[in-house]
Amino acid sequence: SQTIHQWPATLVQPVGSPLSLECTVEGTSNPNLYWYRQAAGRGLQLLFYSVGIGQISSEVPQNLSASRPQDRQFILSSKKLLLSDSGFYLCAWSISGGGNQPQHFGDGTRLSIL
Amino acid sequence: SQQGEEDPQALSIQEGENATMNCSYKTSINNLQWYRQNSGRGLVHLILIRSNEREKHSGRLRVTLDTSKKSSSLLITASRAADTASYFCAEGNTGGFKTIFGAGTRLFVKA
Repeated sequence: SQTIHQWPATLVQPVGSPLSLECTVEGTSNPNLYWYRQAAGRGLQLLFYSVGIGQISSEVPQNLSASRPQDRQFILSSKKLLLSDSGFYLCAWSISGGGNQPQHFGDGTRLSIL
Repeated sequence: SQQGEEDPQALSIQEGENATMNCSYKTSINNLQWYRQNSGRGLVHLILIRSNEREKHSGRLRVTLDTSKKSSSLLITASRAADTASYFCAEGNTGGFKTIFGAGTRLFVKA
């Protein structure tokens, strides 16, 4: 069966510090991968998606970046965090085939910027 | 905005009652998906209804889709306290790789 791992679960970082959040998927090949941010009590904002190794599409201009160094690994990074980067970050995967497929989510990382 | 909208934003009911949540969307869809999110957790896919379907059931869940009105509803029958969560609809669009999520309905089921 397929599983998705996302870590860390909670992170507190000072403004201006770097960020690296990692997400890995097991049990499937060539998945579509997604990074979302969710503000408290709100819906999901798509940040990045990837349909293959090294292929990243950005949805929102920001100081975040994403990379996919391996087929089932998706990394969200920042060189310098802003206060506005606080939020709940969710990684998800779907089988290849476009936005019509159900997505499967990790348990998220709650990021607090001080 | 392409984001769908759920209605109501919040719903509080007694255990055993039915809960109905509505979703309106704006794009041409291939399917409409419903997800559940427990507090502080990731989303869990509940049910997918294709654009050529009008109704679908899964256990205590019933989803309807009206493409002429660009709306969908999720009915949870005989609700339980464990159903307390946020529920999101999401538009699965023809082409592209994005699924567009609504802002969600927060359901609270009182025991």
